[in-house]
Amino acid sequence: GENVEQHPSTLSVQEGDSAVIKCTYSDSASNYFPWYKQELGKRPQLIIDIRSNVGEKKDQRIAVTLNKTAKHFSLHITETQPEDSAVYFCAANLGTYKYIFGTGTRLKVLA
Amino acid sequence: SQTIHQWPATLVQPVGSPLSLECTVEGTSNPNLYWYRQAAGRGLQLLFYSVGIGQISSEVPQNLSASRPQDRQFILSSKKLLLSDSGFYLCAWSPRGGYVDNQPQHFGDGTRLSIL
Repeated sequence: GENVEQHPSTLSVQEGDSAVIKCTYSDSASNYFPWYKQELGKRPQLIIDIRSNVGEKKDQRIAVTLNKTAKHFSLHITETQPEDSAVYFCAANLGTYKYIFGTGTRLKVLA
Repeated sequence: SQTIHQWPATLVQPVGSPLSLECTVEGTSNPNLYWYRQAAGRGLQLLFYSVGIGQISSEVPQNLSASRPQDRQFILSSKKLLLSDSGFYLCAWSPRGGYVDNQPQHFGDGTRLSIL
């Protein structure tokens, strides 16, 4: 079946360094890719998304890149801060109504 | 603005007991509604989704069921809970209409269900 692979599963960076999380999707018809941040015990919250008609989108310290040919997309966080510590999920749409999520990356920003 | 309410926040139930989790959305009409389950330290597993009243699509065969009695109400139920039903249950909604496959999902606060 269709899936989204996400790597790495855990990532530790020093405060101020950059963090990169990568996802690969299998459904070539996917055209919308959101990223969610989930703090411990909380709801996932949308932090950024990208549509297939663009290759990159940036919002302050967060950016997402998309390579449709290779079917992968990445989340980039620059100048990381302790409050960036959380679990991050990528997702891709499957058809009109469904989304499939990656398995998550636990990011730890070390002060 | 749109808000999503989900309750209860936590629930402890014995094996074999019934279940009813409720989710309501305010501030929008005709939303797409979703139920996900998240096992500890794991990703999000889609259980059910609904694109309209009485329209339910099941993704994973199991002893859970879902219903949508009203436009902005989504209910997750079980007649007899299993130990494996433990987890964090999340309701979500997304807007309907237009480029529906380009709309983000917005999640409720979740229900942490423990089966004893």
